[in-house]
Parts: sequence; structure tokens; C-alpha cells
Amino acid sequence: AQKVTQAQTEISVVEKEDVTLDCVYETRDTTYYLFWYKQPPSGELVFLIRRNSFDEQNEISGRYSWNFQKSTSSFNFTITASQVVDSAVYFCAPSSTSGTYKYIFGTGTRLKVLA
Amino acid sequence: GAGVSQSPSNKVTEKGKDVELRCDPISGHTALYWYRQSLGQGLEFLIYFQGNSAPDKSGLPSDRFSAERTGGSVSTLTIQRTQQEDSAVYLCASSLARGGGTDTQYFGPGTRLTVL
Repeated sequence: AQKVTQAQTEISVVEKEDVTLDCVYETRDTTYYLFWYKQPPSGELVFLIRRNSFDEQNEISGRYSWNFQKSTSSFNFTITASQVVDSAVYFCAPSSTSGTYKYIFGTGTRLKVLA
Repeated sequence: GAGVSQSPSNKVTEKGKDVELRCDPISGHTALYWYRQSLGQGLEFLIYFQGNSAPDKSGLPSDRFSAERTGGSVSTLTIQRTQQEDSAVYLCASSLARGGGTDTQYFGPGTRLTVL
């Protein structure tokens, strides 16, 4: 069974600060995918990134970057120069490559960016 | 193109009543998922559809919960004899179901259910 731990329940930062959201996952699958979603106050989950377990290269997209380390089962998400619009709940979710491909979500990390 | 839509956006009901929640997936998406998000909780998987079949219903919390999908498109989640603990946001997601876990699920705005 898969499991994800986002130990940081809530983080508050001041605008322009960098912030890293931690994600540790457990899976018995040898091949799997990892996702990050953003849930702004409006409630709709917005897809941010998908990463497969074979690709350990870090990825950068604008102010967002992801650090995937298979050895420590972590897939951390960093926002550089945070903005108020980044305020949201962020979810990390693993998905297996077999079965129903359902996501196993953690409780998420609430990020508050203060002006 | 149009995203996943859900209706109603808000539903207030009395304990013991039945409710139906609707999901319209993205056109062409054969996989459809229902999740539930309770206050302060993460998202909890409820049921998965591939076409009109539901090969994984493992997340339905009780037999008061049921779901169907017709025409490989619209899905309805029904909760009978609602209880206060059913109060939550119910989220629907769809994906292309290309297999291998590569699918990205696209979520609707959710239905907020309040049981008084």
C-alpha cells in the first residue's frame, strides 16, 4: 500500500522568501509516479507536476522546483521568491502503475504567504 | 476546452435525506474518480470508473454510498440517509486512462455537502 507524509501542516512565510514543502512517500511499487497539486482557496485542485520514479533529475518551472530523491523516498517542492498568490494547500500524491492508478493523498501543507 | 464540472457547487441537506452529486468529466476521458475531502483532512479516494464499470469501489465508506456512470461520461454519486459525518467536499477527477500510471487526473471544483 502507498502512503504519503507531508509533515508540515502549515507554513507561513513573508512574500519573496523561498519555501520548501516536504513530501515523503512509501510504496512497494518499483515503478510509480508522483504528483503535486495546488488547492487555492477556490477549492479546485490544480495540477503542478508529474514525475516518474525512473527520472531523478530535478525540475524547474519558473519559480517552482522539485527535488526527487528515490533513496530517501522524498519529492520536495520549492517555491522561490514566494508571492501572495502562492497561498494554498499543496498536496503530494503517489500513483501506482497498476490497478486503478488512484492517488493516495496526504493531508497536505497549507502555505500562507504574507504581504 | 472545458474542464471537469460538478453540480451542485453547494448542497445543504437534512440528516436522513438522500443526495445526488453529479460529475461531468472532460470529454474523451475514460477514467473517472471520486474523492472526498473532509474539513482539515486530505483527499480520500472513494471510487474509480473505467468507462461505465467501477473496478475499484474500495473507498466507499458504507453501503449508503453508491455511484454510477452512464455513457462513459456523466457520473452520479448518491448518498442515502445522509449523516452529519458525510459533510465534506466531494471532488471528481477524470483522466485519459492511457495506463501505466502516467495519467494526470484533472479535478473539478467540487461539491460542498453540508448535512444538518
